[in-house]
Amino acid sequence: DARVTQTPRHKVTEMGQEVTMRCQPILGHNTVFWYRQTMMQGLELLAYFRNRAPLDDSGMPKDRFSAEMPDATLATLKIQPSEPRDSAVYFCATRSGRSPLHFGNGTRLTVT
Amino acid sequence: AQSVSQHNHHVILSEAASLELGCNYSYGGTVNLFWYVQYPGQHLQLLLKYFSGDPLVKGIKGFEAEFIKSKFSFNLRKPSVQWSDTAEYFCAVTLYSSASKIIFGSGTRLSIRP
Repeated sequence: DARVTQTPRHKVTEMGQEVTMRCQPILGHNTVFWYRQTMMQGLELLAYFRNRAPLDDSGMPKDRFSAEMPDATLATLKIQPSEPRDSAVYFCATRSGRSPLHFGNGTRLTVT
Repeated sequence: AQSVSQHNHHVILSEAASLELGCNYSYGGTVNLFWYVQYPGQHLQLLLKYFSGDPLVKGIKGFEAEFIKSKFSFNLRKPSVQWSDTAEYFCAVTLYSSASKIIFGSGTRLSIRP
């Protein structure tokens, strides 16, 4: 059963440090979404890519967040510098065409 | 602006009770609709989807949902819930395009009393 792979599963870091989260899409999935989940805001769309090109990153704080797809097998989400309010679970989800999204297990980020 | 509303934030039911969770969306045009479930500590998993055709769709674990276009709704139902259905449920909508964003509702937490 094909899975979206996210690393790391957990990350604890101090305020001001850089955080990089990685996502390996299911082979053949050409659309990648990054979501952030918190108790207060629910599931927020941060950015998404299709065929490695960014389509929408309006949900991302531009001054500290960046998302890239260096190749078809890797998507990254970086936070620099990180802040305590960035603490959340970050999910990567991928799809092919109009198929439903497949979610990774998420990266639980804690910024102290 | 495009949005998805789930009006029930937390629903508490006893086992064997019937369930209906509301989902309304504001999108113009043809939409694809989804319900996802998130069990505690896990990632989101697809319950069911609607693309076209019969507006009553059946999903896994005895769940079903009905698309009512005139009401912009896609409510989730289950005739008899089980304790194992305790989870958070998310409605999601996208426009009929493979390049469209998928927007999620705020989720409904379902707690089942054994």
